[in-house]
Amino acid sequence: EVQLVESGGGLIQPGGSLRLSCAASGFSISTNYMNWVRQAPGKGLEWVSVIYSGGTTYYADSVKGRFTISRDNSQNTVYLQMNSLRAEDTAFYYCARGGSSFSFDCWGQGTLVTVSS
Amino acid sequence: QSALTQPASVSGSPGQSITISCTGTSGDIGGSNYVSWYQQHPGKAPKLMIYDVSNRPSGVSNRFSGSKSGNTASLTISGLQAEDEADYYCSSYARSTLWVFGTGTTVTVL
Repeated sequence: EVQLVESGGGLIQPGGSLRLSCAASGFSISTNYMNWVRQAPGKGLEWVSVIYSGGTTYYADSVKGRFTISRDNSQNTVYLQMNSLRAEDTAFYYCARGGSSFSFDCWGQGTLVTVSS
Repeated sequence: QSALTQPASVSGSPGQSITISCTGTSGDIGGSNYVSWYQQHPGKAPKLMIYDVSNRPSGVSNRFSGSKSGNTASLTISGLQAEDEADYYCSSYARSTLWVFGTGTTVTVL
């Protein structure tokens, strides 16, 4: 069964750092492109970042320079390092597998990041 | 990159058909066939319902269909059922803008 499980969320003060993890099972992340998508409470979805199978990464303008996506193929896990966190980064963060034709065909259950003093 | 525009809410009676629109620009929807739709029930993760404008993943009911005309994509749900009550989001991929989501539409089954 294809599954994604996120972890690492929590309460963090503005300016702080947090690293999210996304453990994949049932498929290999090394042959798929993997994404992070976030959703502020009660709001819509926002694409955050992607890492392609070749290692190329891209970021939304809202997080560029502060967030870093990476992966460990041996652990079949994707990470999102988040630095210089702001209140507006408060959201549920979902890990999503890239599917056919630039869609997201498998999602994790999400992990909540709350940035507040 | 601005979010794609969707109506905030759409409603219909059981058995009816409803259509959700998703409006962008020539730089996203108008110039891309990579339009997808997601269903999200409260407290749950999104689920892929349509990709490539009109293709359904395995396991998704054929009551869901997608189309596109110009800068607007549409999701139609026919034979509306109580379980279809959820939030729906469109998404477009373009090489220049990467992924953009719609503002989201709440579907209510009356």
